Amino acid sequence: NAGVTQTPKFRILKIGQSMTLQCTQDMNHNYMYWYRQDPGMGLKLIYYSVGAGITDKGEVPNGYNVSRSTTEDFPLRLELAAPSQTSVYFCASSYSRAGGYEQYFGPGTRLTVT
Amino acid sequence: KNQVEQSPQSLIILEGKNCTLQCNYTVSPFSNLRWYKQDTGRGPVSLTIMTFSENTKSNGRYTATLDADTKQSSLHITASQLSDSASYICVVSEASSASKIIFGSGTRLSIRP
Repeated sequence: NAGVTQTPKFRILKIGQSMTLQCTQDMNHNYMYWYRQDPGMGLKLIYYSVGAGITDKGEVPNGYNVSRSTTEDFPLRLELAAPSQTSVYFCASSYSRAGGYEQYFGPGTRLTVT
Repeated sequence: KNQVEQSPQSLIILEGKNCTLQCNYTVSPFSNLRWYKQDTGRGPVSLTIMTFSENTKSNGRYTATLDADTKQSSLHITASQLSDSASYICVVSEASSASKIIFGSGTRLSIRP
């Protein structure tokens, strides 16, 4: 099993550009999550999904959009990139609610907006 | 406000030595506490999970303790190895319908040969 995979690993965007961060898991997990990790800070939840077709906002959703058309894929869309979105983005998945079930994380996407 | 505080922010020790990392939390109601290891450039990987009734749990050279009364946890690493160099993140889950998860900012551990 590949687990959770993310692409790209690195990306530099200009202010106002848009992009999609890809996330795929092959563990047949229902729950998927997007986090951002800023230097010296804990991970912050952006969006999560409890299954195909169902998504919900996390702690810091502004400036992002998600979709979940399949169990495996959970892309994160940035429409108008801003310097405040410079961060490392992690996708994760879990069998059920992450409180009691381990979250499996992808390797991360390092995004710089200039 | 639910918070998870970790100390120290960073730590340098010599290979073979032991160390202890601390985690204090104010999350309520409490469900469980996990310790994750995050290697540079990688995603976090779970080391241990403890619920309210568990005081200690081991995973090889890693031993986590939990005092639910004082809302404190520690991660003890025995006989450190160079591969233990990483960030260690304490994560606490709420026992609510939202199952909110709060991440600490981590302790950056460096093992010197």
